[in-house]
Amino acid sequence: QSALTQPASVSGSPGQSITISCTGTSSDVGGYNSVSWYQHHPGKAPKLMIYEASYRPSGVPDRFSGSKSGNTASLTISGLQAEDEADYYCSSYTSSSTYVFGTGTKVTVL
Amino acid sequence: EVQLVESGGGLVQPGRSLRLSCAASGFNFGDYAMHWVRQAPGKGLEWVSGISFKSGSIVYADSVKGRFTISRDNAKSSLYLQMNSLRAEDTALYYCVKDHVGGAAGRWDWLDPWGQGTLVTVSS
Repeated sequence: QSALTQPASVSGSPGQSITISCTGTSSDVGGYNSVSWYQHHPGKAPKLMIYEASYRPSGVPDRFSGSKSGNTASLTISGLQAEDEADYYCSSYTSSSTYVFGTGTKVTVL
Repeated sequence: EVQLVESGGGLVQPGRSLRLSCAASGFNFGDYAMHWVRQAPGKGLEWVSGISFKSGSIVYADSVKGRFTISRDNAKSSLYLQMNSLRAEDTALYYCVKDHVGGAAGRWDWLDPWGQGTLVTVSS
């Protein structure tokens, strides 16, 4: 099972919006709505930010949003803040009944 | 509050074995699927294995199939990962993670929360 494809890095200034893409295949991202996004600050446990492609858990700021079209999912952070600087990973259920993560994107707040 | 506490990591020689444990609390452990996810130094997250709530569905990543065995004891609210024939590339921080669903028929959903991880280093 190959990792989902994400850009290695994305950056933006405080207050700006950024979007991270996550590209898979019809056997994972395109075949299921079980796409989720995780924020990972170094030295801490990863945190769920988006589930089922576009739903936000309670406690996650509404500046985080998710969407999916075909084999590509996206995470958008609007009104970027310094504390949003972290690594972000998408993930998906697969047709092999396994789980696959994206390659990871480092978000830098300029 | 849901808590997942991993233990059992350490330094081990290539070819040897190690058993990781995860103690769960704060939720009905026997109702949910559980997973192991790892992160090698400087690398991204890699899903390792998942087990359904009653152990009826168990799956592994190709990279560990045949070497690792996941198991659970619902009476003890504990998850385990038996790792045999360890290789240098198994060196990683191993996270214990709760699924949102029971995982019946091997159908997983989102992962939340995650433990803090236990470090496994495979080196001679």
